[in-house]
Amino acid sequence: KAGVTQTPRYLIKTRGQQVTLSCSPISGHRSVSWYQQTPGQGLQFLFEYFSETQRNKGNFPGRFSGRQFSNSRSEMNVSTLELGDSALYLCASSFSSGSGEEQYFGPGTRLTVT
Amino acid sequence: GENVEQHPSTLSVQEGDSAVIKCTYSDSASNYFPWYKQELGKGPQLIIDIRSNVGEKKDQRIAVTLNKTAKHFSLHITETQPEDSAVYFCAASKGNSGYALNFGKGTSLLVTP
Repeated sequence: KAGVTQTPRYLIKTRGQQVTLSCSPISGHRSVSWYQQTPGQGLQFLFEYFSETQRNKGNFPGRFSGRQFSNSRSEMNVSTLELGDSALYLCASSFSSGSGEEQYFGPGTRLTVT
Repeated sequence: GENVEQHPSTLSVQEGDSAVIKCTYSDSASNYFPWYKQELGKGPQLIIDIRSNVGEKKDQRIAVTLNKTAKHFSLHITETQPEDSAVYFCAASKGNSGYALNFGKGTSLLVTP
């Protein structure tokens, strides 16, 4: 079975711009979660989607948003980029939505904001 | 919210020795505790997990123990090999609507030949 795929793998953007990242979950998985990984803050939960609905949201500003499509693919968008948004953005998929469900991560998208 | 503390932040062992990484959590409602291994340039890889109704779980050289009363859980790697060198993360989550993992800060494990 193919794993979680994320595109693009690397991205360089300028402050003030916006960016869209894409995630394709493992076939059959309906839940997609997004995490931000930085050296200072570690891995932090952004939001989770299940059946096209946002079920849970972390403590991030409204500039961070996401959506999920009917085929379970998900995108996240960051508007008005700030230098502090430079990070590895990870997508994880699981079969359903609930605690105890194993989450499998993709390789991430490395975003650099200059 | 849930707070997960992980120790040590770095760990160096000789090949063949055992390695132990410990985590504590704050929310007694947490009921799922996975461990991830992250190699350079890759996403975290799930290596083992444990649920709150189990005290110990083993998979070949890897084992995890959970003490619900003390709210801590540990990862044990026996007979370490150089390919075990990576950053290891513990996490905790609880049953609710929507799924969020709260991660520890990670342990950088170095296994020297």
